[in-house]
Amino acid sequence: AQSVTQPDIHITVSEGASLELRCNYSYGATPYLFWYVQSPGQGLQLLLKYFSGDTLVQGIKGFEAEFKRSQSSFNLRKPSVHWSDAAEYFCAVGSGGSNYKLTFGKGTLLTVNP
Amino acid sequence: EPEVTQTPSHQVTQMGQEVILRCVPISNHLYFYWYRQILGQKVEFLVSFYNNEISEKSEIFDDQFSVERPDGSNFTLKIRSTKLEDSAMYFCASSAPTGTSGRNEQFFGPGTRLTVL
Repeated sequence: AQSVTQPDIHITVSEGASLELRCNYSYGATPYLFWYVQSPGQGLQLLLKYFSGDTLVQGIKGFEAEFKRSQSSFNLRKPSVHWSDAAEYFCAVGSGGSNYKLTFGKGTLLTVNP
Repeated sequence: EPEVTQTPSHQVTQMGQEVILRCVPISNHLYFYWYRQILGQKVEFLVSFYNNEISEKSEIFDDQFSVERPDGSNFTLKIRSTKLEDSAMYFCASSAPTGTSGRNEQFFGPGTRLTVL
């Protein structure tokens, strides 16, 4: 069964600092990988996705993520964090085929200090 | 830009009551999903739906739950007899037809917060 691990429950960074949120997945085939962001009381917004091809993917709001098959990882990065990036971030893996579902990690809460 | 909508945004109900959560997926999408998120926990898959039938369901999705696409636009989740532990945020999602570039991207609605008292 597929699974996602986000080892960091809560991360605090200063505004302007760089950010890396970790995500490890377990899936037997080539995974579809996603990062979603959830602001308090809001729904899930897709930041970026990886299906195939270039292992470094660019997303919205200046985020990027790198797929590393050898490490089963899909870490999210941003070179300079803004206060508005404070939110909860979820990594997810999608199964292929017609019976397709997303399996989410437990999320990482990002706090940004001024 | 097309989006998934959900109503109501917040539903409060008494234990044992039936609730129906409503979703309007993106119009040309053919795959529909429900997920839930208990407060402070991760988002969990409940059910997927395609061609007017359930494609897959999780162990959470027991006999108390049902889904329906009553017309060409709505997709509903019914909980027949709510329990306290059903309190959660329920998200609807939809994805595009197979063969299109967006096939494996799911678009989420804003969620319905269900509170069972």
